[in-house]
Amino acid sequence: GAVVSQHPSWVICKSGTSVKIECRSLDFQATTMFWYRQFPKQSLMLMATSNEGSKATYEQGVEKDKFLINHASLTLSTLTVTSAHPEDSSFYICSAPARVGAKNIQYFGAGTRLSVL
Amino acid sequence: GESVGLHLPTLSVQEGDNSIINCAYSNSASDYFIWYKQESGKGPQFIIDIRSNMDKRQGQRVTVLLNKTVKHLSLQIAATQPGDSAVYFCAERGLYNFNKFYFGSGTKLNVKP
Repeated sequence: GAVVSQHPSWVICKSGTSVKIECRSLDFQATTMFWYRQFPKQSLMLMATSNEGSKATYEQGVEKDKFLINHASLTLSTLTVTSAHPEDSSFYICSAPARVGAKNIQYFGAGTRLSVL
Repeated sequence: GESVGLHLPTLSVQEGDNSIINCAYSNSASDYFIWYKQESGKGPQFIIDIRSNMDKRQGQRVTVLLNKTVKHLSLQIAATQPGDSAVYFCAERGLYNFNKFYFGSGTKLNVKP
């Protein structure tokens, strides 16, 4: 099946620094990717839709200046958490749809655990 | 976004028994649902899907049931195995973007050997 790779899998940073997370579709192209945030023992919350070659669209309540998304190619989307604070500590997961037969299946990355000190 | 929720936060079953995980959704116009399995520290993995024009769909050891009257989904796992231990989410497709999904709160399945 299709593979979505995230990097890094785990990052620790100091408060006030920025962190970039990469999401790659390894064996297929994705004009759209999605970024989710997941707190411990909670569900995935959709943050934004990453659109190749155009601006990302953010879900209500998500600060676009805080979570910068860039989708510069058909296989790469990046999420930058700017001026990170401890409350930004979370598990960030990306997904990309791939065509399987007659339907689009969302494939998820393994996630990135962000810890802000 | 759409609201999808679950009845039970945790479920413990004996190995070999059948498991039933439930999910309620709020938007009666929703037309497509997916069940995902998430193991600790990993991203969600597709299990099975169902369209709103169906009541039931079967996969390998899994069955999804959809009751549109009461806006309820369930995932049935037959002969539950230790490897089935994980958190299970139902997800509802967005009405205006067919690639956008909204997740329910999740049920943790513990399989006792």
